[in-house]
Amino acid sequence: AQSVTQLDSHVSVSEGTPVLLRCNYSSSYSPSLFWYVQHPNKGLQLLLKYTSAATLVKGINGFEAEFKKSETSFHLTKPSAHMSDAAEYFCVVSLTGGYNKLIFGAGTRLAVHP
Amino acid sequence: DTAVSQTPKYLVTQMGNDKSIKCEQNLGHDTMYWYKQDSKKFLKIMFSYNNKELIINETVPNRFSPKSPDKAHLNLHINSLELGDSAVYFCASSQGDRKTGELFFGEGSRLTVL
Repeated sequence: AQSVTQLDSHVSVSEGTPVLLRCNYSSSYSPSLFWYVQHPNKGLQLLLKYTSAATLVKGINGFEAEFKKSETSFHLTKPSAHMSDAAEYFCVVSLTGGYNKLIFGAGTRLAVHP
Repeated sequence: DTAVSQTPKYLVTQMGNDKSIKCEQNLGHDTMYWYKQDSKKFLKIMFSYNNKELIINETVPNRFSPKSPDKAHLNLHINSLELGDSAVYFCASSQGDRKTGELFFGEGSRLTVL
């Protein structure tokens, strides 16, 4: 069965410092992996996606993620946090087969302090 | 211009009542979804329609009935509401049945059952 595990429920950083949000996946096949962001009282927005092309994936707002098969990880990083990055982040795997059946991780709340 | 819009945004009702949440997308997408987000922010797919045809139907009580009058609309009707139905319900859409993983979400409808 495919699943994702987000290793931290809360991450707190200072503005201008690096961000690391950790995600491990479980999949029998080569997975399609995504990061979505949810700002307070808003819907979710796709940050970036990995679909078996380049292992380093760049997304919006300066975020990027690296697919590491040997570690079954897909961690999200950003070199320098901004106050506007404070949000809930979801690591997501797409089930094999047809259609966009997405399985969401439990989420990581990112807090950014001045 | 709101791409995926849901109404109402907030809904407070008593146990046992019947309520509906409406969703409309103006992106020209063929596929629409309903997701439920519980109090711990966990997101789970409920239903998906492609061109008015039900394609994903998770283990959801049959008190929940989706209806898609056309490919731009997917409504959710809930009968005999229970306390455990309290959650935020998100509508989403995607382009065709291509498994891109990119869903466009509405801002959510927060249902509170008293």
